[in-house]
Order: sequence, then C-alpha cells, then structure tokens
Amino acid sequence: GQQLNQSPQSMFIQEGEDVSMNCTSSSIFNTWLWYKQEPGEGPVLLIALYKAGELTSNGRLTAQFGITRKDSFLNISASIPSDVGIYFCAGRLFSSNTGKLIFGQGTTLQVKP
Amino acid sequence: DGGITQSPKYLFRKEGQNVTLSCEQNLNHDAMYWYRQDPGQGLRLIYYSQIVNDFQKGDIAEGYSVSREKKESFPLTVTSAQKNPTAFYLCATRGNEQFFGPGTRLTVL
Repeated sequence: GQQLNQSPQSMFIQEGEDVSMNCTSSSIFNTWLWYKQEPGEGPVLLIALYKAGELTSNGRLTAQFGITRKDSFLNISASIPSDVGIYFCAGRLFSSNTGKLIFGQGTTLQVKP
Repeated sequence: DGGITQSPKYLFRKEGQNVTLSCEQNLNHDAMYWYRQDPGQGLRLIYYSQIVNDFQKGDIAEGYSVSREKKESFPLTVTSAQKNPTAFYLCATRGNEQFFGPGTRLTVL
C-alpha cells in the first residue's frame, strides 16, 4: 500500500523549543490530518485540513495544507514535557471514493525538561 | 460513556490458535476500520466496512477475517494463517473524520 514520507523520524529537544515536522507524497490529497499517539493508547486527532493553503491552529499547534496538495507540515511552539509522543500525518487521496486514509510512519518526539 | 471500546487491552494466545478482537462503538458511525501497528511502520489497514453487512480488504488482509452484522460492532479474527500476529491492533470509526479506539496489544507465544 501507499505510504506518506514523514520526517524527521524522531526528535529529542529541550523544553521551550519549537518543533517542526512534515509529510510529503507524490500524490494529490484532498484531506490532511495530524494525530498524536501516547504509549499504549490509540491516536488522537489534533488538526484536520481540507483546503490547499489552509493554515489551522489548535493551541500551540499549527498545521498547513501544502499549496501543491502533496504535502503538509505541523509546528509545535514552546514545547512542554506533555508533548511527548508519536505524531502521525494521514492523508486522503483526491481520487479516493472509499475515504481510506494513508498514514506516515510517525515522528517520535521526546522533550527534555 | 461514549466512544469506541476495544477489549481486552492485552491478549495472549498460543501459536496456532485463532483469536477474536472486539471493537464496539456507540457513535452511530457507519464506517469502521481495523489497523495493525508495528514499531516504526505506522498504521496499516487490515479491513474496513462502510456499512452493515459489507466489508472490504485493506492492504494486509491475509490471515485476518471480519464480520459486520451490527452497526455497533466490527470484530476482527486473527487466524492461525497470520504468520506474525504479535502487534498492536487499533479499531477506528469515521464520522467527519477517523477516530481511534484505545487499542489491543496481542502477543502470540
């Protein structure tokens, strides 16, 4: 199956630093989603994007739907220890009639107090 | 309490045994999904169902089976034909977007 290219694979940062991660693909998407997963739990939806160029915030999190429809990024400002987890991007292909999502491989974030 | 329930949280089985993982929802969502998660590989789609009494194979359906007899329930059976069944299994439903259950960690000994 198709996968998205998500980077970086992992990040180890100091509390208070900003974080940036992205997902890219060679295919065109009509939806981009960002999820956070904590150890042993299911992913939780953070932000949903539906229009090219759309920029959406959720507290300290900001995500953008790339203008080419082939990429998206997520920024976390002023990181805190509870931001620790795995962040997944997911996209829905423009050509899809089933609503299936394609997932990136995840970015593991660790925050040092 | 609303949402998606997966039980049990941890499941152990001997090699060669079939095992069924439960997924129940009270969100009144039509679409339900099963994913498998392995370290470093993200989420891979096993089966999905867009409506009661109908389901389709995902990317890694071999060795798995499902049923969708009720809107609220979408159980997944991991059969003895699945060569590497130890993994974290996630059920999801779709309203405006996909929402995930808490997961079941299956360990085959």
